[in-house]
Amino acid sequence: GNSVTQMEGPVTLSEEAFLTINCTYTATGYPSLFWYVQYPGEGLQLLLKATKADDKGSNKGFEATYRKETTSFHLEKGSVQVSDSAVYFCALKEGAQKLVFGQGTRLTINP
Amino acid sequence: DTAVSQTPKYLVTQMGNDKSIKCEQNLGHDTMYWYKQDSKKFLKIMFSYNNKELIINETVPNRFSPKSPDKAHLNLHINSLELGDSAVYFCASSQAPRRDYGYTFGSGTRLTVV
Repeated sequence: GNSVTQMEGPVTLSEEAFLTINCTYTATGYPSLFWYVQYPGEGLQLLLKATKADDKGSNKGFEATYRKETTSFHLEKGSVQVSDSAVYFCALKEGAQKLVFGQGTRLTINP
Repeated sequence: DTAVSQTPKYLVTQMGNDKSIKCEQNLGHDTMYWYKQDSKKFLKIMFSYNNKELIINETVPNRFSPKSPDKAHLNLHINSLELGDSAVYFCASSQAPRRDYGYTFGSGTRLTVV
């Protein structure tokens, strides 16, 4: 079945550092890929998405490129802020099926 | 104007009780979902309804029963609560069950069974 694997957390960085959170997926067809963010005590918010190979999703300084050849969708940000501290989820969706999530990566940014 | 609202936000109850969680969306979406998030933050789908019709029913104990009176509401009723049911339950909605549509999530209901 379809699955998503994210890098193990927690990840701790200093403010203005470069961020990469790795995400790889397994799917039988051509899924859409998503990154969601969950701030403490809140629900998940859609951060960005890409629906086909080589698409780049971007939002709030975050970017991720759909790489079919490596089945990856790594999240990057050039300069993180304390306010980026949250749990980040990679997810995929194939056809009309359910959204399948990775295990989440907790990110902490220190001032 | 909350897009997907869940009530209650917190629910503490004793083992064996029956409880309900309500969810409403004002986005005009056709599809609604229930997800369970465990203590390690892992998210697992439980149910999905499209226009009041059940389309996804994962391996969930029969004690859990969803009800969709109309396409804007999806409630979750849980019978005979057990300690292992303690988790955060998220309701979500989507414009349609299409691969390129993401979900809009509610803020969650933290259920604690004691």
